[in-house]
Amino acid sequence: DAGITQSPRHKVTETGTPVTLRCHQTENHRYMYWYRQDPGHGLRLIHYSYGVKDTDKGEVSDGYSVSRSKTEDFLLTLESATSSQTSVYFCAIRRDKLLYEQYFGPGTRLTVT
Amino acid sequence: QQQVKQSPQSLIVQKGGISIINCAYENTAFDYFPWYQQFPGKGPALLIAIRPDVSEKKEGRFTISFNKSAKQFSLHIMDSQPGDSATYFCAASRGAAGNKLTFGGGTRVLVKP
Repeated sequence: DAGITQSPRHKVTETGTPVTLRCHQTENHRYMYWYRQDPGHGLRLIHYSYGVKDTDKGEVSDGYSVSRSKTEDFLLTLESATSSQTSVYFCAIRRDKLLYEQYFGPGTRLTVT
Repeated sequence: QQQVKQSPQSLIVQKGGISIINCAYENTAFDYFPWYQQFPGKGPALLIAIRPDVSEKKEGRFTISFNKSAKQFSLHIMDSQPGDSATYFCAASRGAAGNKLTFGGGTRVLVKP
């Protein structure tokens, strides 16, 4: 357990509505990541952050935005949800003293109808 | 473009047998190769990882074999147990580039008692 919580854990929303997912960590690490998981694709990086207000795009960033105003929180926003964004979303952290190891949260299952 | 290809997609092995999962990567700049284990409804959990300066790493019943020239690495699960039944993901990253993980598509392993 790397002290990562995600909220909500499950959400159903309608196409066109905005959605925000929250990732919270208790250990104040610099690096935080958002991935989505879809069958056959493994996990794919959406956005990541390397510090407060420092973020960058990942492999599948279109339709997503992120914000990090505090070290402990990393928010993922779907500005206008589409059915193709139905997925399981995982947040991860990289422990500061371990250059490579990433630890994942429990995930949020999002369904866009 | 899938930079990490994983095979097989699924695997059935008898209790006590050996499970072997293979991955191939394209980007020679990758310098970290982890394996994650995921149970249904849970986030991926870091299982074992290797850097390209070694050809093999063993932790308990889990072994990574790494072939830098072939750009391939594999996970061997010795003496497979029913509790090992899970989905396994290989991944690769480059530490100097934010350690963004690129995942394989996953292998579902079923260990029959």
